[in-house]
Amino acid sequence: DQQVKQNSPSLSVQEGRISILNCDYTNSMFDYFLWYKKYPAEGPTFLISISSIKDKNEDGRFTVFLNKSAKHLSLHIVPSQPGDSAVYFCAASVSGGYNKLIFGAGTRLAVHP
Amino acid sequence: NAGVTQTPKFQVLKTGQSMTLQCAQDMNHNSMYWYRQDPGMGLRLIYYSASEGTTDKGEVPNGYNVSRLNKREFSLRLESAAPSQTSVYFCASSVGTGSGGYTFGSGTRLTVV
Repeated sequence: DQQVKQNSPSLSVQEGRISILNCDYTNSMFDYFLWYKKYPAEGPTFLISISSIKDKNEDGRFTVFLNKSAKHLSLHIVPSQPGDSAVYFCAASVSGGYNKLIFGAGTRLAVHP
Repeated sequence: NAGVTQTPKFQVLKTGQSMTLQCAQDMNHNSMYWYRQDPGMGLRLIYYSASEGTTDKGEVPNGYNVSRLNKREFSLRLESAAPSQTSVYFCASSVGTGSGGYTFGSGTRLTVV
């Protein structure tokens, strides 16, 4: 029973274009959402987060959108660069839950020149 | 360098052997976590320690034990390894309650034959 789902295992995008990674969740108690980026042979690194009181958070080329009614969030990368090629994990947590994160299965993004 | 250090980086075990994965953080974080990463499954929480002296089960605790030795160190033990425990194991730490992301170690790749 996956509470956080990333239904696209992979995504291929041309350099300079927009990358859109999607994530759905089922637990309505989740109120904090994060995206992590992972390169091969390294641990995941924090990328961007959003609280459920917001519907958008932006950090440079990265923007996360949250649609609470649809239980859906997305990560937009504009413009995409070859260095963005990595696996992206969506994660969610419940405030007060000792920051325990539930992760999705990940989406492998390939940005080609 | 500040962060989360995991040892060993690679390990091959025979079925039935035991071993302990070590994890240490130097960021004065309260909470620590052990995850496993499997293809198509994302990161699944094995055990976590909200604070020194406490440990709790995550999503997939069977076959594992943990010890929060002190605030810095959180070890994961496999008492009798099974092929199903072949995976990449990540340790992470965080400030604890409230919002905030994790800092992950670089992982331990374990193969059980």
